[in-house]
Amino acid sequence: EVRLVDSGGGLVKPGGSLRLSCVGYGFTFSDAWMDWVRQAPGKGLEWVGRIYTKTEGKTTDYAAPVKNRFTISRDDSKNTLYLQTNRLKIDDSAVYYCTTSEGRYWGQGTLVTVSS
Amino acid sequence: DIVMTQSPDSLAVSLGERATINCKSSQSVLYSPNNKNYLAWFQQRPGQPPKPLIYWASKRESGVPDRFSGSGSGTDFTLTISSLQAEDVAVYYCQQYYEIPRTFGQGTKVEVK
Repeated sequence: EVRLVDSGGGLVKPGGSLRLSCVGYGFTFSDAWMDWVRQAPGKGLEWVGRIYTKTEGKTTDYAAPVKNRFTISRDDSKNTLYLQTNRLKIDDSAVYYCTTSEGRYWGQGTLVTVSS
Repeated sequence: DIVMTQSPDSLAVSLGERATINCKSSQSVLYSPNNKNYLAWFQQRPGQPPKPLIYWASKRESGVPDRFSGSGSGTDFTLTISSLQAEDVAVYYCQQYYEIPRTFGQGTKVEVK
């Protein structure tokens, strides 16, 4: 069974940082393009970014609102995806989901709250 | 960026009746070399992650009931629930995966009348 397990969310002050993690089970993680998608409370879905596989150099793409503040990385030896969030803003408050890039599998989400 | 616009924003349908949700993209998501529309539909129930329903605009994901169907091409797409069941109450999103950034519609809330 394919599963994605997100973790690492919490309460952080504006300007702070958090690192989110997502562990993949039941599929060949190293072969998968992986995305982060977020959802602010009561709002719709917003794509955050993507990391490609080692074959593609583990290159990344980001949405404009998070570019130069967020960094996506992966450790294929641990089947783990990361989202390093820096210089957090109140508008970054959301549930963050990891997902395989074709959208077939999603984590349960981890809540990030940015508040003073 | 490709803008995805859904209509209506909300929809109330009687049990057993048809529900229709429209999705329009600001540019075509049809890739001519393979004649595939890079358009997916998701269902999201409260407190849960999105669940994929449809990909390539009209292909049902494994395990999705056949009352859900997708249609359309180019810039105009439709998700139809042929006979609404109580468990279909949810928010539905279209999403294009033609190019980065992936973009979603604003969502359509489906309720029972």
